[in-house]
Amino acid sequence: AQKVTQAQTEISVVEKEDVTLDCVYETRDTTYYLFWYKQPPSGELVFLIRRNSFDEQNEISGRYSWNFQKSTSSFNFTITASQVVDSAVYFCALSDNRGANNLFFGTGTRLTVIP
Amino acid sequence: GAGVSQTPSNKVTEKGKYVELRCDPISGHTALYWYRQSLGQGPEFLIYFQGTGAADDSGLPNDRFFAVRPEGSVSTLKIQRTERGDSAVYLCASSLGQVNPRSEQFFGPGTRLTVL
Repeated sequence: AQKVTQAQTEISVVEKEDVTLDCVYETRDTTYYLFWYKQPPSGELVFLIRRNSFDEQNEISGRYSWNFQKSTSSFNFTITASQVVDSAVYFCALSDNRGANNLFFGTGTRLTVIP
Repeated sequence: GAGVSQTPSNKVTEKGKYVELRCDPISGHTALYWYRQSLGQGPEFLIYFQGTGAADDSGLPNDRFFAVRPEGSVSTLKIQRTERGDSAVYLCASSLGQVNPRSEQFFGPGTRLTVL
């Protein structure tokens, strides 16, 4: 069975602080895909990153970085020098190797960046 | 259009009524997904279309829920005899599907359904 756990329900940081959002997953598949999506107050989910299970390289995109550790089944997301516009709910998701490609989402972490 | 569009944006109905929710995917995307997002939760998978056929409908909660995609583009999610527990935001997403099986899903803004 697939499961994604985002233990942090809500996080508040002051602008310019760094923040890390945790994601732990469970799957029996050896091939799988991990995603992060951002859901701003407008409600529309915005794709941030996709990572396959064979690629454990960390990735950096501007102020965003992702740390994938297969040994601990974690795919954490760090925002450096946070900005007010980063305030949103962030979802980690898992897709297995079946044909459907449907996403299993965690419950999300609400990030509030205080100016 | 440039992105996935969904209509209506809001739908209020009474318990027992029938509703239809529409999704217009990104042009050229063969895969289409429906998810349901309850308050404070992550989206939950309902059904996946590859082209015109429902390739996986394992997420539909019961037989009151049905979805179609007759021409492989626009999809309609249909809910019969609505119940208060059906109240949620219904999200549609599309992706390149078989062209690139692991391409990311692009989501629409959702339809907020409220059953009174």
